[in-house]
Amino acid sequence: DVKVTQSSRYLVKRTGEKVFLECVQDMDHENMFWYRQDPGLGLRLIYFSYDVKMKEKGDIPEGYSVSREKKERFSLILESASTNQTSMYLCASSPLGQNPTYEQYFGPGTRLTVT
Amino acid sequence: QKEVEQDPGPLSVPEGAIVSLNCTYSNSAFQYFMWYRQYSRKGPELLMYTYSSGNKEDGRFTAQVDKSSKYISLFIRDSQPSDSATYLCAMILNRDDKIIFGKGTRLHILP
Repeated sequence: DVKVTQSSRYLVKRTGEKVFLECVQDMDHENMFWYRQDPGLGLRLIYFSYDVKMKEKGDIPEGYSVSREKKERFSLILESASTNQTSMYLCASSPLGQNPTYEQYFGPGTRLTVT
Repeated sequence: QKEVEQDPGPLSVPEGAIVSLNCTYSNSAFQYFMWYRQYSRKGPELLMYTYSSGNKEDGRFTAQVDKSSKYISLFIRDSQPSDSATYLCAMILNRDDKIIFGKGTRLHILP
């Protein structure tokens, strides 16, 4: 069974703090993704990575950065958290190669509140 | 016009009914069509996928793609309370493109 784990289920941070969200997958997948999910806006892609030390901007990268130092781990960093970054953050992974990237496996999500 | 449109619901139906969930899309070049299911406080999980047009059946679930109308559907037969979830349609242009998700439809199956 593919497992994607996220470091926290719930997180409360103050405006201006630096926030790290960690994601680990155990299936040796090449692709990893960070999304945020908001009511009425759906899932929006923040960043993705096809390989170690490689990153690509998604649709809404402003205010975020990422790090992929190991294949199984993909971190999302909020350099200076703001209240409009209060959201559900979802990490996903998928294999490269024969399978199209439609087959994404999601973690349980981190609900981040910035006060 | 938004790329993928999906009615957010909520949709409430009695147990045992047939459920029809739908999405429309604007880009005729989409080739892969998926349905993800998301239970409350969980991440989405892939339910079904279809390549190009046609129907695909998996147990109580049937996915249908009508590329001429740019319309996709998910039918659930003999609906169960455990089917209560948010259903997200999704699509991609080519194998390695990013997924475009609909906003999801909340479904409640009433016992």
